[in-house]
Amino acid sequence: DTGVSQNPRHKITKRGQNVTFRCDPISEHNRLYWYRQTLGQGPEFLTYFQNEAQLEKSRLLSDRFSAERPKGSFSTLEIQRTEQGDSAMYLCASSLSLAEGDEQFFGPGTRLTVL
Amino acid sequence: AQTVTQSQPEMSVQEAETVTLSCTYDTSESNYYLFWYKQPPSRQMILVIRQEAYKQQNATENRFSVNFQKAAKSFSLKISDSQLGDTAMYFCAFMKRSGGGADGLTFGKGTHLIIQP
Repeated sequence: DTGVSQNPRHKITKRGQNVTFRCDPISEHNRLYWYRQTLGQGPEFLTYFQNEAQLEKSRLLSDRFSAERPKGSFSTLEIQRTEQGDSAMYLCASSLSLAEGDEQFFGPGTRLTVL
Repeated sequence: AQTVTQSQPEMSVQEAETVTLSCTYDTSESNYYLFWYKQPPSRQMILVIRQEAYKQQNATENRFSVNFQKAAKSFSLKISDSQLGDTAMYFCAFMKRSGGGADGLTFGKGTHLIIQP
């Protein structure tokens, strides 16, 4: 399967714990995006990488959220000191900057439940 | 900032019928892309169709077509000969052409489309 993969698919944690999610983009894609989707809403853009550079992070929801993409391959999204309001689906997408319209290919998401 | 509005939370049609999903958007940008994405139940989001704002011709992909009205900032999706597999959430999305993709996609709240047998 050469699509975007995300792990874990589900994460249940207690309030105050830290969690980390992983995204593996399509191998030749240099752009990587993170989104959050809450129930009944469309995805909300969080951050963007071009290769290993994080070019947009002002939309991260708070300073508890951080993302990395070492070596421009996989990416991780970390949430520190989780709160119940962080419960959501976290989606990763990748694209190739040379592709017209920058079509983004989405992964299956990681569903986070904070108890 | 851009906003995308989908005013139909849910729609239901019979198999083989034609259905139109509505989307309006607000932006001060002149160059941008518009997308319709489909999110089937418990499955990942996939692109249905894409429209470049600088193109006057409406995009079509097999049974899917759009009605793009730039002046009205309207971007509706028409699904012809609807099939059971079309049942899904449909999201309208916007992306600026400038900025190199750094703004990501702006999505509407979605329309839940149900195709009845």
